[in-house]
Amino acid sequence: ETGVTQTPRHLVMGMTNKKSLKCEQHLGHNAMYWYKQSAKKPLELMFVYSLEERVENNSVPSRFSPECPNSSHLFLHLHTLQPEDSALYLCASSQEPLSNEQFFGPGTRLTVL
Amino acid sequence: GEDVEQSLFLSVREGDSSVINCTYTDSSSTYLYWYKQEPGAGLQLLTYIFSNMDMKQDQRLTVLLNKKDKHLSLRIADTQTGDSAIYFCAESNQAGTALIFGKGTTLSVSS
Repeated sequence: ETGVTQTPRHLVMGMTNKKSLKCEQHLGHNAMYWYKQSAKKPLELMFVYSLEERVENNSVPSRFSPECPNSSHLFLHLHTLQPEDSALYLCASSQEPLSNEQFFGPGTRLTVL
Repeated sequence: GEDVEQSLFLSVREGDSSVINCTYTDSSSTYLYWYKQEPGAGLQLLTYIFSNMDMKQDQRLTVLLNKKDKHLSLRIADTQTGDSAIYFCAESNQAGTALIFGKGTTLSVSS
């Protein structure tokens, strides 16, 4: 138990659906991250939020839309996804806004049909 | 650009030592990290080393850093079946805002 929770743990959606992934951290951290983990590829950083402001956006398609309403919660809104978006989506948090000691959640396994 | 390379698989027998190797490209990284991912779980920070250190030991884990060659290794002594997992090497990105991960090394421990 790392103090970072993610829901749902598994999600199957069609290409026309809209869904949201939720991440919550109970560690009092100020920075939160979304990563995508695909088979046989390195983890890809998607978004970084520091003190609820987005500080990094790594050329992620607009069908992924992050939201950080407060320092404890992070969402990833999904719409009109493609089958190649199927992956494990990992949320992480860190103490300082630019700290690299990150704590990860268990991930959401997303399958797009 | 920033890049982290690891071998993809390692298979050892229980009780042996495991050595997982990693090379990285950004010499300005202040810290280098090893993360472990067990099946169905997220990543767990195992250990990290400050860039001005050559070695760090933590119980069964030994991290060796060769900064000249940009080579990092993780040695697990007396490997157990519970050590079976994917091990990720990571360095800081140049902006210092996030981590760059390798593809991960799958460690398989047989009894």
